[in-house]
Amino acid sequence: EVQLLESGGVLVQSGGSLRLSCAASGFTFKNYVMSWVRQTPGKGLEWVSAINAGGDGTDYADSVKGRFTISRDNSNNTLFLQMNSLRAEDTALYYCAKDLIVPPGILQHWGRGTLVTVSS
Amino acid sequence: DIVMTQSPDSLAVSLGERATINCKSSHSVLYSSNNKNNLAWYQQKPGQAPKLLIYWASTRESGVPDRFSGSGSGTDFTLTISSLQTEDVAVYYCQQHYDTPRTFGQGTKVEIK
Repeated sequence: EVQLLESGGVLVQSGGSLRLSCAASGFTFKNYVMSWVRQTPGKGLEWVSAINAGGDGTDYADSVKGRFTISRDNSNNTLFLQMNSLRAEDTALYYCAKDLIVPPGILQHWGRGTLVTVSS
Repeated sequence: DIVMTQSPDSLAVSLGERATINCKSSHSVLYSSNNKNNLAWYQQKPGQAPKLLIYWASTRESGVPDRFSGSGSGTDFTLTISSLQTEDVAVYYCQQHYDTPRTFGQGTKVEIK
């Protein structure tokens, strides 16, 4: 059974930094594109970032480009999201998701999310 | 960015009746190379993460009941629940997987009348 367990979400001040982790199990992690998606009551679901299976290709939403960095450790089946220069509008529930192999960009399995709150 | 717009924002349907949700994209999501529409549907129940229902506009994910069906092409798509059950109360989202950034519709809340 695929399991994705996010952690690292806390209350942080505007301008601060945070690192989210997602521990994956139940599938061959190194074979899949992985993504981060966030959800706020006001803006709904927003795709944040994705990383290819090997970890050498990344993509970001314009809203986080230059501030967030996605990475992965295929030896330890873990996905990360380094979040810098945090803003109030980054407040959201952050989900880790496993993509379908084909076609890409489809979020087949989701974790339960970790809550990030940025205080201004 | 491709903008996804769903309608209606909410709907109430009697048990056993049909529910229809529409999704319109600002740009065609049809890949001419394989003639497939890059459109997915997700279901989110209260307090839970979204769950993939359909991709390529009409391909049901494994384990999804066949009362859920997707249709449409180009820029206009529909999710149909043929006979609404109590467990189908949820918010439904469309998402294009044609281009990055992957974008979602604003969601449609389905309730029991």
